[in-house]
Amino acid sequence: NAGVTQTPKFQVLKTGQSMTLQCAQDMNHEYMSWYRQDPGMGLRLIHYSVGAGITDQGEVPNGYNVSRSTTEDFPLRLLSAAPSQTSVYFCASREGTGVGNTEAFFGQGTRLTVV
Amino acid sequence: GEDVEQSLFLSVREGDSSVINCTYTDSSSTYLYWYKQEPGAGLQLLTYIFSNMDMKQDQRLTVLLNKKDKHLSLRIADTQTGDSAIYFCAEPGGTGFQKLVFGTGTRLLVSP
Repeated sequence: NAGVTQTPKFQVLKTGQSMTLQCAQDMNHEYMSWYRQDPGMGLRLIHYSVGAGITDQGEVPNGYNVSRSTTEDFPLRLLSAAPSQTSVYFCASREGTGVGNTEAFFGQGTRLTVV
Repeated sequence: GEDVEQSLFLSVREGDSSVINCTYTDSSSTYLYWYKQEPGAGLQLLTYIFSNMDMKQDQRLTVLLNKKDKHLSLRIADTQTGDSAIYFCAEPGGTGFQKLVFGTGTRLLVSP
């Protein structure tokens, strides 16, 4: 059971380039999300999805797009990379949002540098 | 909105107890979490506590919840060098619990 898999682990982009961060989970979880982690700021929610075909914005959605065509995959797209998007990105999944669905499983992270 | 605050650093000697503190703002939170992040890794759920509990103990970990003061703490007994990591406090956020609201994280450094 692989859990949550993110690729790539590291990426350097030039300002203005676009790219897609991949996230896949094999636990049949309905809920998936993307966070970014910046020093001294904890993790902030970018976008989330409560099921295939359903996505919504989190706290810091500007500059990012998501889609959820399957239960397993939840890619994050950077449309035109900016230095402010230099961060570590984490994908997470959870079985659901009800009481008892307490544990979120996190991927290993993608360290993105925009120069 | 929800807000979670933690101190940034804690340094202890091996064998001592560590206490990591957290304050939160949403009194309606049904449960609160502690996550651990080891260097270069993702976050791993360490433990959680339901809001109707004051204390939860799990081996070397003790979680204390003071709902009146909205204060959560994580005590690690007999701290080991392998406990060196960043510890995040988190609470559910948004209507319907769409997200986790994380604190800034406390970096615990355990010296031999």
